[in-house]
Amino acid sequence: AQKITQTQPGMFVQEKEAVTLDCTYDTSDQSYGLFWYKQPSSGEMIFLIYQGSYDEQNATEGRYSLNFQKARKSANLVISASQLGDSAMYFCAMREGADGNQFYFGTGTSLTVIP
Amino acid sequence: DAGVIQSPRHEVTEMGQEVTLRCKPISGHDYLFWYRQTMMRGLELLIYFNNNVPIDDSGMPEDRFSAKMPNASFSTLKIQPSEPRDSAVYFCASSFASKPNSPLHFGNGTRLTVT
Repeated sequence: AQKITQTQPGMFVQEKEAVTLDCTYDTSDQSYGLFWYKQPSSGEMIFLIYQGSYDEQNATEGRYSLNFQKARKSANLVISASQLGDSAMYFCAMREGADGNQFYFGTGTSLTVIP
Repeated sequence: DAGVIQSPRHEVTEMGQEVTLRCKPISGHDYLFWYRQTMMRGLELLIYFNNNVPIDDSGMPEDRFSAKMPNASFSTLKIQPSEPRDSAVYFCASSFASKPNSPLHFGNGTRLTVT
């Protein structure tokens, strides 16, 4: 089974609108972390936001928020007030393992912001 | 704080040549990972180190690939001899081992082209 599943290969959003990028994960660990990364066309991988498995509240970082639904094993990224610079690939990732040494990445979602 | 530093940014070489990619992790990080990214296979883990010791190299495609970490601030990934199918973007990333909320911090990558 895939550890991280991103079912949306491509998404479009109008500038200034909000968009949700889906991510589901599979783990039997109680302690794990969920991360989102942005990869613009220039190629670098930029860390956006983190959610811990024990965190009660959804993580937020500026215009990014993580809709964490533990029972459903989903960790969707919400980008509010989309900007043209948000056009990029977005990767969901999970860290697990007794030593936290296992990182798993999804296949990514390509987001295009339309002016 | 300097991030993860990789060199070179771009490498073009001919089939059969030796290629060496370099990485300087973030100071204090005790995990170092090497990834390869292609359109076909996405992000693949090649090898990772904990405190300079290789822990899992099961992702290294074949004996032509080798990686070393002689000290906490330097790692190399070597391909000898290189083949056209090795063309990809190679990322180095580092993280804290003891902090489960610590994300992977990626370098800017080395874009390798083997002709």
